[in-house]
Amino acid sequence: GAVVSQHPSRVICKSGTSVKIECRSLDFQATTMFWYRQFPKKSLMLMATSNEGSKATYEQGVEKDKFLINHASLTLSTLTVTSAHPEDSSFYICSARITGGNGYTFGSGTRLTVV
Amino acid sequence: EDQVTQSPEALRLQEGESSSLNCSYTVSGLRGLFWYRQDPGKGPEFLFTLYSAGEEKEKERLKATLTKKESFLHITAPKPEDSATYLCAVRLISSGSARQLTFGSGTQLTVLP
Repeated sequence: GAVVSQHPSRVICKSGTSVKIECRSLDFQATTMFWYRQFPKKSLMLMATSNEGSKATYEQGVEKDKFLINHASLTLSTLTVTSAHPEDSSFYICSARITGGNGYTFGSGTRLTVV
Repeated sequence: EDQVTQSPEALRLQEGESSSLNCSYTVSGLRGLFWYRQDPGKGPEFLFTLYSAGEEKEKERLKATLTKKESFLHITAPKPEDSATYLCAVRLISSGSARQLTFGSGTQLTVLP
């Protein structure tokens, strides 16, 4: 139980275009979702926390106009990388908090390459 | 400043050679310490949650322990399939209702056959 489905798993886009990453909670309602970024051989860096029906809370240094987060329902949160540039290339992972049990579940990640 | 430090950064073991990974933390208030396994190109997979000093949890060849300053992930007689990056993360009292995790930088474990 408590699975988060993230897609796409890989995406290549051209500089200047936008890319949307989706995370869906399959068998539970995710009131809160977290978006992380991970550089090669580095740990997960929290980008923002999204709560269903309200604006996301961004971590210091994360551009909210570049990384648009929408959490319109209890089962879907999206991250849109706008006007992507090569330096936005990274591994993006979503996570949801689950009540009881293991606490947090993670998506399988999206490898974004901007060319 | 709250910090989570993992050591070593990388560890190579022979199959069957037991060892331990360390996660030390300097935080103002701990509300849970989590261990995850991450395979290349995948999201983290939950292993354990520890909440109080002295607590221990086991799963197959893995055992996690917690003190007031650090946690250890002991790997007994590892197999090549245990090769992965092991991440520890803390949830802080200061994270409040957001309840986000703060991750360490991970230990990349390689178990050679």
